[in-house]
Amino acid sequence: DGGITQSPKYLFRKEGQNVTLSCEQNLNHDAMYWYRQDPGQGLRLIYYSQIVNDFQKGDIAEGYSVSREKKESFPLTVTSAQKNPTAFYLCASSINGQGPYEQYFGPGTRLTVT
Amino acid sequence: QKEVEQNSGPLSVPEGAIASLNCTYSDRVSQSFFWYRQYSGKSPELIMSIYSNGDKEDGRFTAQLNKASQYVSLLIRDSQPSDSATYLCAATHYGNNRLAFGKGNQVVVIP
Repeated sequence: DGGITQSPKYLFRKEGQNVTLSCEQNLNHDAMYWYRQDPGQGLRLIYYSQIVNDFQKGDIAEGYSVSREKKESFPLTVTSAQKNPTAFYLCASSINGQGPYEQYFGPGTRLTVT
Repeated sequence: QKEVEQNSGPLSVPEGAIASLNCTYSDRVSQSFFWYRQYSGKSPELIMSIYSNGDKEDGRFTAQLNKASQYVSLLIRDSQPSDSATYLCAATHYGNNRLAFGKGNQVVVIP
């Protein structure tokens, strides 16, 4: 089955620890994205990558880092510099090029930092 | 003005009725628009895409795009309890494939 997988589903960490969230897709999509969702708020873009070995900051990149070494993988690291890391993290992918840029989401990782 | 705005509060509709959701957008986004459905605790699921002025129907869902007035709407006909969810409106940025999302509208279908 084609799709996007994120692991783990739930993640608990102590404050001050870095944590890496996994995102893998087998849709052969060039572009991948990381969003954060907080209660009562819309999706906010953290980082995105349109091609392997290249990525750009989104609207709230501070305290996060990413890599894109393979087309199918786009891991997100939440560093200890992120002030409010507890949130629902969503990975998405889309085709690149001329559009129409429909994005498809993985199941998400719910991160709790105490 | 935000790029994509959904201003309505929670919408309660009786089962079998039509649910109507609206979304307005600014000049900073382009002409590709999407509606996502998000169940509580789950990730968003793409349910409709619309790129041209007018209506697009898919089953019980109809998306309407009015470029002159800069709004896009979603109609859910014959609403079912399984339609109870939050609906997110999204639009592409000009020149790249980033999406701007509205905050979403919660729909509650009452049996």
